[in-house]
Amino acid sequence: SQTIHQWPATLVQPVGSPLSLECTVEGTSNPNLYWYRQAAGRGLQLLFYSVGIGQISSEVPQNLSASRPQDRQFILSSKKLLLSDSGFYLCAWMEARASGANVLTFGAGSRLTVL
Amino acid sequence: KNQVEQSPQSLIILEGKNCTLQCNYTVSPFSNLRWYKQDTGRGPVSLTIMTFSENTKSNGRYTATLDADTKQSSLHITASQLSDSASYICVVSYTAKAGTALIFGKGTTLSVSS
Repeated sequence: SQTIHQWPATLVQPVGSPLSLECTVEGTSNPNLYWYRQAAGRGLQLLFYSVGIGQISSEVPQNLSASRPQDRQFILSSKKLLLSDSGFYLCAWMEARASGANVLTFGAGSRLTVL
Repeated sequence: KNQVEQSPQSLIILEGKNCTLQCNYTVSPFSNLRWYKQDTGRGPVSLTIMTFSENTKSNGRYTATLDADTKQSSLHITASQLSDSASYICVVSYTAKAGTALIFGKGTTLSVSS
């Protein structure tokens, strides 16, 4: 069965410090991978998605970047965090097949607080 | 513009009561609609997924309906339990040039009290 792991679960970082959130998927190959951010009281905002190794699409301009060094690994990074980067970050994956019933499966989330 | 609107924004009910959450969408071309349950501080978990031809789908005490003509969906929760307290998110997918695209609603926050 497929599983998705995301870490760290909670992170408190000072403004200007770097960030690295990691996500790995097991039990599948060549998945589509996604990073979402969920601000308090707001819906999920798609930040990045990837359809393959080294292929990253950015949905919104921001202080963050993403990388996919391996097929089932997706990393969210920042060189210098801003206060506005605080939020709940979710990694997700979906099978890369053209089907109307693909399910987006989420990780447990990472709570980032920038002070 | 592709949008997903959920109502109500929040809801408080007593344990044992039923409730219905609404999702209206203007997404085209429609591919499928999903309901997710998100417990506080956790990632969303899929409850149901409905394609164009499906009108009703149940998952235990959760029943989702879809009216593709009016572009409305509802999630009905029967005999609510304290553990049903969560945010419920409606997600509509459509086929874009780059593949499957998803539009998220902002969610309905349900609080079940004893």
